[in-house]
Amino acid sequence: DAGVIQSPRHEVTEMGQEVTLRCKPISGHNSLFWYRQTMMRGLELLIYFNNNVPIDDSGMPEDRFSAKMPNASFSTLKIQPSEPRDSAVYFCASSRTGGFNTEAFFGQGTRLTVV
Amino acid sequence: DQQVKQNSPSLSVQEGRISILNCDYTNSMFDYFLWYKKYPAEGPTFLISISSIKDKNEDGRFTVFLNKSAKHLSLHIVPSQPGDSAVYFCAASANRGNTGKLIFGQGTTLQVKP
Repeated sequence: DAGVIQSPRHEVTEMGQEVTLRCKPISGHNSLFWYRQTMMRGLELLIYFNNNVPIDDSGMPEDRFSAKMPNASFSTLKIQPSEPRDSAVYFCASSRTGGFNTEAFFGQGTRLTVV
Repeated sequence: DQQVKQNSPSLSVQEGRISILNCDYTNSMFDYFLWYKKYPAEGPTFLISISSIKDKNEDGRFTVFLNKSAKHLSLHIVPSQPGDSAVYFCAASANRGNTGKLIFGQGTTLQVKP
């Protein structure tokens, strides 16, 4: 099992540019989550999908952020235009839901720096 | 509005002693709680969990205690080892965790000194 795979691991971009973060969840998992880690707020849930459908995007900070899940094995988080305050580590996680007491498995994260 | 709070950003403990990490929550709908551990440049990994029907869950050196009336949980590590040095995140979920949606705290950095 390869685990949750995120790419790129590091991204440095200039303010105003579009940034796309990618995630491949664990095969067989039906829920996918995007989190952002900051010092002040810890791990913030941005959006989550169940069976490829966005269920809760209330954590998406602004319209500049968008996420898609075109199929069960791929998701993207896009920021356009990017701003320096978007600099953070972005994590993707997946889980197999439908039962109880479900844990989420995380990828290694993408460290985004917007200069 | 932080529904899960870890008020201690850091904790330093001597090897062999007990580490106690604390977490408070505000949402009474939370009924499943987890602790995750995170090393630098890695994603968080699941450590231990507890359902609201219990007040204690133990797994080796790790024990989680839940006080529902106080909306407080804690993670005890006994004995602490240098390899336990990491960031620990508390997380909570509603609906007995069946959606997988977890709300995390800010994290506590634990340093275990040899």
